[in-house]
Amino acid sequence: GAVVSQHPSRVICKSGTSVKIECRSLDFQATTMFWYRQFPKQSLMLMATSNEGSKATYEQGVEKDKFLINHASLTLSTLTVTSAHPEDSSFYICSATEWGWTEAFFGQGTRLTVV
Amino acid sequence: GENVEQHPSTLSVQEGDSAVIKCTYSDSASNYFPWYKQELGKGPQLIIDIRSNVGEKKDQRIAVTLNKTAKHFSLHITETQPEDSAVYFCAASIRRNAGGTSYGKLTFGQGTILTVHP
Repeated sequence: GAVVSQHPSRVICKSGTSVKIECRSLDFQATTMFWYRQFPKQSLMLMATSNEGSKATYEQGVEKDKFLINHASLTLSTLTVTSAHPEDSSFYICSATEWGWTEAFFGQGTRLTVV
Repeated sequence: GENVEQHPSTLSVQEGDSAVIKCTYSDSASNYFPWYKQELGKGPQLIIDIRSNVGEKKDQRIAVTLNKTAKHFSLHITETQPEDSAVYFCAASIRRNAGGTSYGKLTFGQGTILTVHP
């Protein structure tokens, strides 16, 4: 199947700093990418949907100024957690779909720890 | 919006037994139902999926059934092995017709922790 590569897999940052997470589709054009957040022992919570070249659509309750999403190309989307705080510590996962496909391919996830 | 309920939250079986996980969905427009396996510290991995024009699909030890009238679908794993132990998520999605831009937007169930004892 198609491959989605997410980096970094783990990151520790200081409170108040920003962290960027990258999500790349390696062998297909990802017209739509999705960003999820997952707390321990919980399900995936959709944060935002991003279509290439357009502004991301954020789910209710997700601060768009805090979680900046860029999807400037068909193979790369980034999530930047700005002014991170300990409560932003979580597992962040991206997924990508190609135009006309139904299947979503997931990245490996990023464990963010804010200290 | 769509709401997906998944049961049970935990499931413990002996190696070789079968495991069944059930999900219900609320939006009758949903037409794509994937199942994911997630191991600790990793992203979800698609293990099987079914579309609304099919009632059952099988892939070796894994099968999925769909009842559109009742709006529920189930995952069946036969001859379970210890390496099947993981968290399993069901999901529901609407595949939009040409012109739509939200392909693949999934609503997940709460997850089932499956433990297969040797």
